[in-house]
Amino acid sequence: KAGVTQTPRYLIKTRGQQVTLSCSPISGHRSVSWYQQTPGQGLQFLFEYFSETQRNKGNFPGRFSGRQFSNSRSEMNVSTLELGDSALYLCASSRQGGDGYTFGSGTRLTVV
Amino acid sequence: AQSVTQLDSQVPVFEEAPVELRCNYSSSVSVYLFWYVQYPNQGLQLLLKYLSGSTLVKGINGFEAEFNKSQTSFHLRKPSVHISDTAEYFCAFIMNTGFQKLVFGTGTRLLVSP
Repeated sequence: KAGVTQTPRYLIKTRGQQVTLSCSPISGHRSVSWYQQTPGQGLQFLFEYFSETQRNKGNFPGRFSGRQFSNSRSEMNVSTLELGDSALYLCASSRQGGDGYTFGSGTRLTVV
Repeated sequence: AQSVTQLDSQVPVFEEAPVELRCNYSSSVSVYLFWYVQYPNQGLQLLLKYLSGSTLVKGINGFEAEFNKSQTSFHLRKPSVHISDTAEYFCAFIMNTGFQKLVFGTGTRLLVSP
């Protein structure tokens, strides 16, 4: 079966711009989570959506937002990009959440 | 505070030797435990998970892990490693309270040489 698909794979943006990342979960998975991975901070939780509702949120500023559509696809948006937002953004999906997540290959965002 | 500790940032080992990657966790509530592997420029791949039941869990690629509640540990082992096992390994947990957030360790880089 198809895995978690993230688009685009690579992205270069300028400071102050905004960006939207997309994630298509595994068919039948209703929980979608987003994580930021950086060399300095490691893997940090951004937020989790289940059936179009944000259930959990990490400690990130309001510039980071997301949403989930009725087909469980999810988007993540970062506004007013800063250099420190350069990272690998990973999306993960699960049927319910607690039974483990399947991750996509990530979107590598570089802010210049 | 909820946290995962992976004491070894890097573990060098020769091909066909056994390996153990250590993981300890701290949580005030029960947790579900996971090991993930990350190859360069890739996402995370689930190796194995402990949700309940037998404390010895077998995963993909010949890996296994043992849950020890008294020592709050979940060490990953493989009896004989291959060059292709060279990667970053992450231990993580989710609290079983319904808060769906994976708490990750800082990772252990396994370096397998011939």
